[in-house]
Amino acid sequence: RKEVEQDPGPFNVPEGATVAFNCTYSNSASQSFFWYRQDCRKEPKLLMSVYSSGNEDGRFTAQLNRASQYISLLIRDSKLSDSATYLCVFEAAGNKLTFGGGTRVLVKP
Amino acid sequence: DAGITQSPRYKITETGRQVTLMCHQTWSHSYMFWYRQDLGHGLRLIYYSAAADITDKGEVPDGYVVSRSKTENFPLTLESATRSQTSVYFCASRDLGGNDYTFGSGTRLTVV
Repeated sequence: RKEVEQDPGPFNVPEGATVAFNCTYSNSASQSFFWYRQDCRKEPKLLMSVYSSGNEDGRFTAQLNRASQYISLLIRDSKLSDSATYLCVFEAAGNKLTFGGGTRVLVKP
Repeated sequence: DAGITQSPRYKITETGRQVTLMCHQTWSHSYMFWYRQDLGHGLRLIYYSAAADITDKGEVPDGYVVSRSKTENFPLTLESATRSQTSVYFCASRDLGGNDYTFGSGTRLTVV
């Protein structure tokens, strides 16, 4: 089983719609969780951290479910500029990040 | 300019040649990392460094060598390049206790 698994997509989303996707992880010792965004094979950039209580950043909402070992990302009111690949990332001890393969989102007019 | 820079941006090399990818950061971050990204695998950690003169293997270290003689530089060397090392290589840095990993723009390496 891969350490981190994501649906590769693509998720085709009408502009203005809501899209949500999950990421499962197998390492129960994972301590920190993040969503990164990557555009067209450019460098990944931090979108948001994921906290146990769930957190929002504008139109983006992240959730963590430790019992079921997954995190989720929800994007409301999708914009064309949200088209990207979203990488699920976790950090176990040792300050090393482990990346999922990414979920591709395509927002269409 | 402040930040993390990688060079070269693009490199084509022949099988068996030695090639070095450079990574330089201006923040004096403690941690530096090298990842490779291939279709179907996401980003995989090659090597990382917690400080100058301290390096450790990541998930896929075979065929690579790193050094960290200065905090700001973390070069990655392919001692004898193979076609399987064709990939996009990303360098990243992070400060001690920080939460944000900052990535360089990447080096696209093709081994022919």
